[in-house]
Amino acid sequence: AQKVTQAQTEISVVEKEDVTLDCVYETRDTTYYLFWYKQPPSGELVFLIRRNSFDEQNEISGRYSWNFQKSTSSFNFTITASQVVDSAVYFCALSEATGTASKLTFGTGTRLQVTL
Amino acid sequence: DAGITQSPRHKVTETGTPVTLRCHQTENHRYMYWYRQDPGHGLRLIHYSYGVKDTDKGEVSDGYSVSRSKTEDFLLTLESATSSQTSVYFCAISESGREDYEQYFGPGTRLTVT
Repeated sequence: AQKVTQAQTEISVVEKEDVTLDCVYETRDTTYYLFWYKQPPSGELVFLIRRNSFDEQNEISGRYSWNFQKSTSSFNFTITASQVVDSAVYFCALSEATGTASKLTFGTGTRLQVTL
Repeated sequence: DAGITQSPRHKVTETGTPVTLRCHQTENHRYMYWYRQDPGHGLRLIHYSYGVKDTDKGEVSDGYSVSRSKTEDFLLTLESATSSQTSVYFCAISESGREDYEQYFGPGTRLTVT
């Protein structure tokens, strides 16, 4: 069975600090896909990024960057120069084919609190 | 934003009563999912649908049933609500059943069973 571990339950930083959210996954598949979602205080889930297992290039989008390392089964998310608006719960997820569809296995989430 | 609505957004019900939650989409996507979110568990898949009248179980399906009679609507029913079903329920849609397609989530329904 697939598993996603987000060991950091809660992180608090001061605005402008850099912060890294860890994600470690387990799967027996050779091809797989990883996702990050953001859940702001308003409650909705917002898709951030998808990464496939055969592309280990780091991805950068503005202040956000993602580091995928197959050797350590990790897909970490870094926010550079954090802002109060980054305060949210962040979920890492792993996609799995079911035969009729695909399903996401989520980690337990990391709550990020950014203060002034 | 994906056109997904959930109703009701909040509901309080008593143990033993039936409850139906509705997910409505305007994207004409074939795949729809129901998840529940609980502290310490993240989101867990309850049921999903891969077409009209085509549904299957997820990892926490006990006590839940679903129906999909048309593309745009996916209903989740708690036949006899229990306190352990107090949770936030999210519907999600996807254009494809392939693993590389992201799922888009609705706003959620907060259900309290007293």
